[in-house]
Amino acid sequence: QITLKESGPTLVKPTQTLTLTCTFSGFSLSTTGVGVDWIRQPPRKAPEWLALIYWDDDKRYSPSLKSRLTITKDTSKNQVVLTMTNMDPVDTATYYCARRLKGLFDYWGQGALVTVSA
Amino acid sequence: EIQMTQSPSTLSASVGDRVTITCRASQSIGSWLAWYQQKPGKAPNLLLYKVSSLATGVPSRFSGSGSGTEFTLTITSLQPDDFATYYCQQYNTYSTFGGGTKVEI
Repeated sequence: QITLKESGPTLVKPTQTLTLTCTFSGFSLSTTGVGVDWIRQPPRKAPEWLALIYWDDDKRYSPSLKSRLTITKDTSKNQVVLTMTNMDPVDTATYYCARRLKGLFDYWGQGALVTVSA
Repeated sequence: EIQMTQSPSTLSASVGDRVTITCRASQSIGSWLAWYQQKPGKAPNLLLYKVSSLATGVPSRFSGSGSGTEFTLTITSLQPDDFATYYCQQYNTYSTFGGGTKVEI
């Protein structure tokens, strides 16, 4: 059974750095072709893709947010970490991690709501 | 960056109706197009991939068509469980989602 779960702060202040952890089970991020992505969804808006890390440590970022994002993995712990710097109220959203296989998000976490407010 | 535009943004329908949602890409994405269904408070759920292939467990009343830049999702005979928001996603280059179509009663 494949599961993913996001964890991290529910509230961050403007200008702070957000660190989110995705802990997964049921698959390995050392398997060829597998990736884990971060996707966010502001309230009542569409999902927005943020970042991707592949089994071979190849990383990709949304061009519009690239300067603020860092994605890393710890294969032994089955974790992927996303950091986003200089948080702003417009970054308030539910943040999801998802497994990527052949470009598709076939398994998602339940999501973590992050509110940015002073 | 590839932009995805969905229409309509909201669609009012009844049980038993045939529903069509359109998705346009700002440049050709070949057949690298997927559709997701999302219900309130839940993560999106994969419905179709590579334009027209059904994901595991998805009923055959869902179908997809198109190529290049124009794509459609069709639901024949809308069921009560189908009232939700639908998103297209291109995965030709990383990923981009459309703005969504809410199917409501």
